[in-house]
Amino acid sequence: EAEVAQSPRYKITEKSQAVAFWCDPISGHATLYWYRQILGQGPELLVQFQDESVVDDSQLPKDRFSAERLKGVDSTLKIQPAELGDSAMYLCASSLLTGEAFFGQGTRLTVV
Amino acid sequence: KQEVTQIPAALSVPEGENLVLNCSFTDSAIYNLQWFRQDPGKGLTSLLLIQSSQREQTSGRLNASLDKSSGRSTLYIAASQPGDSATYLCAVAYNFNKFYFGSGTKLNVKP
Repeated sequence: EAEVAQSPRYKITEKSQAVAFWCDPISGHATLYWYRQILGQGPELLVQFQDESVVDDSQLPKDRFSAERLKGVDSTLKIQPAELGDSAMYLCASSLLTGEAFFGQGTRLTVV
Repeated sequence: KQEVTQIPAALSVPEGENLVLNCSFTDSAIYNLQWFRQDPGKGLTSLLLIQSSQREQTSGRLNASLDKSSGRSTLYIAASQPGDSATYLCAVAYNFNKFYFGSGTKLNVKP
């Protein structure tokens, strides 16, 4: 069964360091999402891609976060420098243009 | 910003009970609504997708309904089992398939 792949599953980093997460969506899914989920809350959208173009990054803290999807397939989310408040679960999802979204297992980030 | 609210925030029931989880949203111009399950420390598993033109969807012991006019959806779980214990999240999709999530209902089914 096709699934969204994310790596790493867990990441511990020191404050002010750089960190990167990778996502490989389900083959053929044009839409890719990065969400951040704080413990006890629902996921919040950071950035949404349609193929290689950004559809929405209004909630992405652009002073420290960046995201790319260069060939319209896999994607990387980067944080530089990491802050304590960035500790959260980072979730990647993909979908067709409309319809069901499928999520990966997430990356649990701890900033110390 | 679109608002999605889930009530209750937590629910504890004995095994075998039927239960209903609620989701409400402020803007009725939705594309679709999706229910997810999340186990602790894991990603989201899709349970049911209801398109805006549909009233309900069923999968096994799960039934989800959608009433756009009142801005509400319910997830009905029949004959609950301990394995159903998880957090259930409702997500509403608007233009460009942009999803907004509620904070979830944490369900505990006691043996």
